[in-house]
Amino acid sequence: DVKVTQSSRYLVKRTGEKVFLECVQDMDHENMFWYRQDPGLGLRLIYFSYDVKMKEKGDIPEGYSVSREKKERFSLILESASTNQTSMYLCASRNRDTYFATNEKLFFGSGTQLSVL
Amino acid sequence: GNSVTQMEGPVTLSEEAFLTINCTYTATGYPSLFWYVQYPGEGLQLLLKATKADDKGSNKGFEATYRKETTSFHLEKGSVQVSDSAVYFCALTPPMDSSYKLIFGSGTRLLVRP
Repeated sequence: DVKVTQSSRYLVKRTGEKVFLECVQDMDHENMFWYRQDPGLGLRLIYFSYDVKMKEKGDIPEGYSVSREKKERFSLILESASTNQTSMYLCASRNRDTYFATNEKLFFGSGTQLSVL
Repeated sequence: GNSVTQMEGPVTLSEEAFLTINCTYTATGYPSLFWYVQYPGEGLQLLLKATKADDKGSNKGFEATYRKETTSFHLEKGSVQVSDSAVYFCALTPPMDSSYKLIFGSGTRLLVRP
């Protein structure tokens, strides 16, 4: 089975801190994604990466950056955490595929609940 | 733009009841449609999908039919179990979108009581 591992299940940080959220997948997937999940808003895409050293902004990139130095690891960085970044963060990965219709095979990690005080 | 609208939850049912979770979408052309499920403490998992009009996706007793005329993809199950308690997300991939992004609805929590 594909495994997507997020380094922390719960994280508490203070306003202004630099925060790193780590995600590792073990299936050699090219594409990786970071979403945040908020009640009533569903999942919103923050950043995604087609492949190593490649990144694209999602729908809500402000206040975040990412790093993809190795294929298996995709890091989400909060340069200066703020209280409105308190959320559940979900990492996902998938194989690159030629056909749009089959791009649903996202594999998700179990999430990191971040609280910024 | 592209969007997905789901019925608000929570939906509370007794075991063996019939389930419907409504989902409608807005998109130009023919998106691919999906249902994902999130069990407590876990990440999302793909439940079922449909890639063209009138397709029916099915898995684990759940079904959803891609209805172009009503722009809907409602999730149904004939007899729910306690183990079906989870959050269900409807999602779409915009047609001819090369970014591999999924657009999710807000999620519907299902609680099944014994």
